[in-house]
Amino acid sequence: GDSVTQMEGPVTLSEEAFLTINCTYTATGYPSLFWYVQYPGEGLQLLLKATKADDKGSNKGFEATYRKETTSFHLEKGSVQVSDSAVYFCACDFSGYSTLTFGKGTMLLVSP
Amino acid sequence: GAVVSQHPSWVICKSGTSVKIECRSLDFQATTMFWYRQFPKQSLMLMATSNEGSKATYEQGVEKDKFLINHASLTLSTLTVTSAHPEDSSFYICSARTQGTANSPLHFGNGTRLTVT
Repeated sequence: GDSVTQMEGPVTLSEEAFLTINCTYTATGYPSLFWYVQYPGEGLQLLLKATKADDKGSNKGFEATYRKETTSFHLEKGSVQVSDSAVYFCACDFSGYSTLTFGKGTMLLVSP
Repeated sequence: GAVVSQHPSWVICKSGTSVKIECRSLDFQATTMFWYRQFPKQSLMLMATSNEGSKATYEQGVEKDKFLINHASLTLSTLTVTSAHPEDSSFYICSARTQGTANSPLHFGNGTRLTVT
């Protein structure tokens, strides 16, 4: 069945380090792909999205490219900040009706 | 931007009592709202899809009689946890999709931390 697999955390980095959080999906079709961020005690905020192959979503220095050939949507940022510390969720909409399937989330901890 | 307000942000209740959580879309109409449950250090699990004016669609394994969902208007959906027990303690999050835009991103509330003692 359709599923989302996300690398486990926590990911611990120093400020200004390069970030990659891997996300792959299994699907019979072509889902829309999302990255959400959750700060402590808060709900989820959409970080970026891509709706078709080769689309690149970007926001706040984060990027992710929809790779159909590898069924991946890895999140990257060239230089992380302490304020980026949060839990990041990869999500897929397999249905086309906003019924999202989430990965398990990856906690990012950035130290000064 | 689209704002979803969830209330209360946290609640503590005694075992056996019922708790109602509200989810409001403040500046847009939401024909569809979604309710999620999040366990510590785990992902969000979809509990049910709430459609305005009709019965909610529950995911497999979710007890509809325990988690009552009402979506009486285009801006309000409520989740009532009936006869709560300690195992119902969790973080509940709602989300809403802007009316008429299938495949659009969801807007999430800030969640409700429920603790049942």
